[in-house]
Amino acid sequence: ETGVTQTPRHLVMGMTNKKSLKCEQHLGHNAMYWYKQSAKKPLELMFVYNFKEQTENNSVPSRFSPECPNSSHLFLHLHTLQPEDSALYLCASSQDLTSGGTDTQYFGPGTRLTVL
Amino acid sequence: DQQVKQNSPSLSVQEGRISILNCDYTNSMFDYFLWYKKYPAEGPTFLISISSIKDKNEDGRFTVFLNKSAKHLSLHIVPSQPGDSAVYFCAASEGGGATNKLIFGTGTLLAVQP
Repeated sequence: ETGVTQTPRHLVMGMTNKKSLKCEQHLGHNAMYWYKQSAKKPLELMFVYNFKEQTENNSVPSRFSPECPNSSHLFLHLHTLQPEDSALYLCASSQDLTSGGTDTQYFGPGTRLTVL
Repeated sequence: DQQVKQNSPSLSVQEGRISILNCDYTNSMFDYFLWYKKYPAEGPTFLISISSIKDKNEDGRFTVFLNKSAKHLSLHIVPSQPGDSAVYFCAASEGGGATNKLIFGTGTLLAVQP
């Protein structure tokens, strides 16, 4: 595997389910990101991790819980979601956050989530 | 309120001609701008970027122009090829920010007709 991978690619879940999205990067990067893209809306940053530490939580509801056990892996744990949470969830990685914000982000293919 | 706007949801161009994709922003603190390209079922891929200290950056067939006074940037693709057909996202950041936070536009779907 190369680049940034995400599993599963598609997920359908009920509002009472608990599920997790997984992201893995094979680029040797130290910063990882979760983005949400809803229909007809721009990509919206959710969380940022740098060297496994969370550096940004963009006012995301607590029903989304990120986890970064190491610099290569990022999870998004989902519980008691709402239908309006249905969206494309994209993971990205970059070298790290010490380059003054000009660090190129590399994206995975995304997980298409549908909440029934 | 959207800080980065792509007002054209779609654009159709003939192969070999120039494609011009436009982007406007409202935050004068943005000092780094990027274009990403996205094919269906794939994540966005980085295309080209420009710092606010420049007004032009060129990479092969792709050129980005920045007009700071108008808070406007554009991506020129010449000559356009059918493989360029994709959704193009404009993004901006405050380059000195600690979180590398990108603000994206809604995207423009480019269709290059053979």
